[in-house]
Amino acid sequence: KAGVTQTPRYLIKTRGQQVTLSCSPISGHRSVSWYQQTPGQGLQFLFEYFSETQRNKGNFPGRFSGRQFSNSRSEMNVSTLELGDSALYLCASSPGTGLRETQYFGPGTRLLVL
Amino acid sequence: AQKITQTQPGMFVQEKEAVTLDCTYDTSDPSYGLFWYKQPSSGEMIFLIYQGSYDQQNATEGRYSLNFQKARKSANLVISASQLGDSAMYFCAMREEGTGNQFYFGTGTSLTVIP
Repeated sequence: KAGVTQTPRYLIKTRGQQVTLSCSPISGHRSVSWYQQTPGQGLQFLFEYFSETQRNKGNFPGRFSGRQFSNSRSEMNVSTLELGDSALYLCASSPGTGLRETQYFGPGTRLLVL
Repeated sequence: AQKITQTQPGMFVQEKEAVTLDCTYDTSDPSYGLFWYKQPSSGEMIFLIYQGSYDQQNATEGRYSLNFQKARKSANLVISASQLGDSAMYFCAMREEGTGNQFYFGTGTSLTVIP
């Protein structure tokens, strides 16, 4: 099985712009989660989608949004970019949302905001 | 309060030696799961090992084992016979049933294996 894929892998944007990141989960996986990773804050949970519904949401401003499509692929959008949004954005998928279900991560998208 | 605490920002270990990475967690939920991930410099998070709160035995996966002490709320990762390729960041994570099985990650421990 192919792993989790994320596109693009690298992105450079300027303040005020918006960006859309894409994540394709492992085939058969219906849960997709997004994380932001920075040196200062570590790994922070953004949101989780399951069957096109947002199940959980982290403590991020409304500029951060996401969605999931019927094929389980997910996108996250960040509007009005700020310098502090520069980070590695990781997507993870799991078959479902059960306690024992492991999340498998993609390679991430490195976003640099200038 | 932090759900997951990893108190060792950096660790060094000699090649072929064993090393223990500490993880303590905070939950009042009786149903939870504990995970360890490895993140090499390339950035991708790699799943290593899982321990459920009701599992009677400590989890093992090849050279990785989890020292689960439920009363102390600790879930330390033990890597035996360290290899140079083990140099990476290691993250402890928890899912608890009461919060919809959301994942909580620790701040990570950077492990360097010395030849």
